[in-house]
Order: sequence, then C-alpha cells, then structure tokens
Amino acid sequence: EAGVVQSPRYKIIEKKQPVAFWCNPISGHNTLYWYRQNLGQGPELLIRYENEEAVDDSQLPKDRFSAERLKGVDSTLKIQPAELGDSAVYLCASSLGFGANVLTFGAGSRLTVL
Amino acid sequence: QKEVEQDPGPLSVPEGAIVSLNCTYSNSAFQYFMWYRQYSRKGPELLMYTYSSGNKEDGRFTAQVDKSSKYISLFIRDSQPSDSATYLCAMSRSNDYKLSFGAGTTVTVRA
Repeated sequence: EAGVVQSPRYKIIEKKQPVAFWCNPISGHNTLYWYRQNLGQGPELLIRYENEEAVDDSQLPKDRFSAERLKGVDSTLKIQPAELGDSAVYLCASSLGFGANVLTFGAGSRLTVL
Repeated sequence: QKEVEQDPGPLSVPEGAIVSLNCTYSNSAFQYFMWYRQYSRKGPELLMYTYSSGNKEDGRFTAQVDKSSKYISLFIRDSQPSDSATYLCAMSRSNDYKLSFGAGTTVTVRA
C-alpha cells in the first residue's frame, strides 16, 4: 500500500503568490487531516474532514487558507496570498474514522515563502 | 503555557545506551497517549499507543503513563544509530480525536 501521498514535496514561492498542496489518503480512510508543522515544533491541526465534510476547521486561517475534499477522497489545501510566516511543512494524515485516533501521516509538503 | 510540554533536547547518546524521553501535560481529560517518531524530511510515524495509565512494552521501546502526575515517558533500550530521529509525544481526549503534540525531542545515537 502506498500510504498517504502528498505533492509537491517542496515548494518555494514569493510572498503574495498562491500555492496549493494535494493529498491522497490511504484507501478506505474516511477521516483526513491537514496539519502545519513549524520548524522545531509539533504538528498543529488546521482542518479535519469526515468524508467530504469539514468537521473541525477552527484553526484554519480562513482569510487566506482554503481546503476542499471532493468526493471524500483526495484533498487540496490552498494558500492565497502566501505570507512569510506561512513557511512550514504541511502534513496530511488520514485515519479510519470515528473511534480511531491513530493517524497515518504523509511525508509532508515543505513550503518556503521568500 | 502550552497544553503539552516536551523536554527540548537535543539528546546525543552512544550506541547501546538507554534513551529516556518525557512529556508533561496540563489537560486532565487526556486519555490516549502516543509517541511518534519523525525522521528528517519525513512525516511522523506512530511508535507507541497507550490508553490511560500504565506501561506498554514493544521490543526495545517502553511507554509509561502516569496520569496522577500528568507525565508520560518513552524509553529506548539498546539504542541504535537507526533510532536517530525526532520523537514527538501526542495525546487526545477520549471523545475527541484532535491530537495535541509536544514540540519534539531530537535524538542522535552515535555509533
């Protein structure tokens, strides 16, 4: 099994530019998460999906961040416009769903904003 | 104050040594406790999973949870260079699946 697949692995952009990250979770995993990990810190939840519904987006900066999970499978996280402080690793994770808090993480997408 | 505090490290130990990692937390509602291992440029991977208080052993790894002290530990016996990584503690409430992570401790095992 391929695990959680993320792309791109690395992205360098200038501030005010848009950027998008894509995630393909493990087959059969209904719950999908986007986390942000700043350098030297643990991951922090941005948004959690149960199938195609965003059930927890309280930590998502909605003025510039958006996410979608069409058909309850793949997900895209977008930042527009990017700011210097958005430089971080964006991790996607998935789990079986309700009653399962064991997450499988992808390798992450490392964003550098210049 | 953060909800989960983790010893910052970094730790450097010789091969074969015992590695001791710790986290403290403030939320008494946490019931599930995990340790994740994160290699450089990789995502975290689940290493140990414990419910409530007690000890759990898996090969060279032992996880301990002391809910009365709000303190969890991970011990790595006979450490190997392949154990060199960042170790993250994580925890969640029983009815909520939002994980709260520590900042991570970077461990280097010298051959």
